[in-house]
Amino acid sequence: DAKTTQPTSMDCAEGRAANLPCNHSTISGNEYVYWYRQIHSQGPQYIIHGLKNNETNEMASLIITEDRKSSTLILPHATLRDTAVYYCIVSPISSGSARQLTFGSGTQLTVLP
Amino acid sequence: DVKVTQSSRYLVKRTGEKVFLECVQDMDHENMFWYRQDPGLGLRLIYFSYDVKMKEKGDIPEGYSVSREKKERFSLILESASTNQTSMYLCASSSQGSNEKLFFGSGTQLSVL
Repeated sequence: DAKTTQPTSMDCAEGRAANLPCNHSTISGNEYVYWYRQIHSQGPQYIIHGLKNNETNEMASLIITEDRKSSTLILPHATLRDTAVYYCIVSPISSGSARQLTFGSGTQLTVLP
Repeated sequence: DVKVTQSSRYLVKRTGEKVFLECVQDMDHENMFWYRQDPGLGLRLIYFSYDVKMKEKGDIPEGYSVSREKKERFSLILESASTNQTSMYLCASSSQGSNEKLFFGSGTQLSVL
């Protein structure tokens, strides 16, 4: 059973905010939401993670709904270099959790000039 | 800047050859991982290691072995390469704890002819 559901693809205009949704309706209280991205022909790159509060770092913001059943990754000013596959992953808050990270199909974000 | 370095970006080998893929990380991470990525199948975990000389099978270990003699280095070995092992191979590392973010290398595209 897939633990997350993401749209297959999205487009965004350069300079605009990119909002990438993710459903994780079966998330448990002891699981983080992680976001990674993979630019073509490169390894995945960690972006951000959160538990229940909204989070922001230099790359993006993560908005998690109050019931924690969905989240949105926001790239505030998308550039062409943000074109990538974005993966939303839920993972336990525990040692050994990295072994359980499952990268599904993700969302192909294309930033258009 | 943290780094996971894979020894080769592209590799071409013949069926039956013994193949070594090397990975080095400079973050003093305890955990190291080898994945393969194929179109339509996502990332699949081959082996992981949580300490020097320790290894655990992932989801698809058949046809592969690993070696971790030093904390910073994790090697993937294809004892007798076959054409179905043509793939993108990705190495990753993480610290141990409640939040185990993965840091990936750039990948090795292996072609077995």
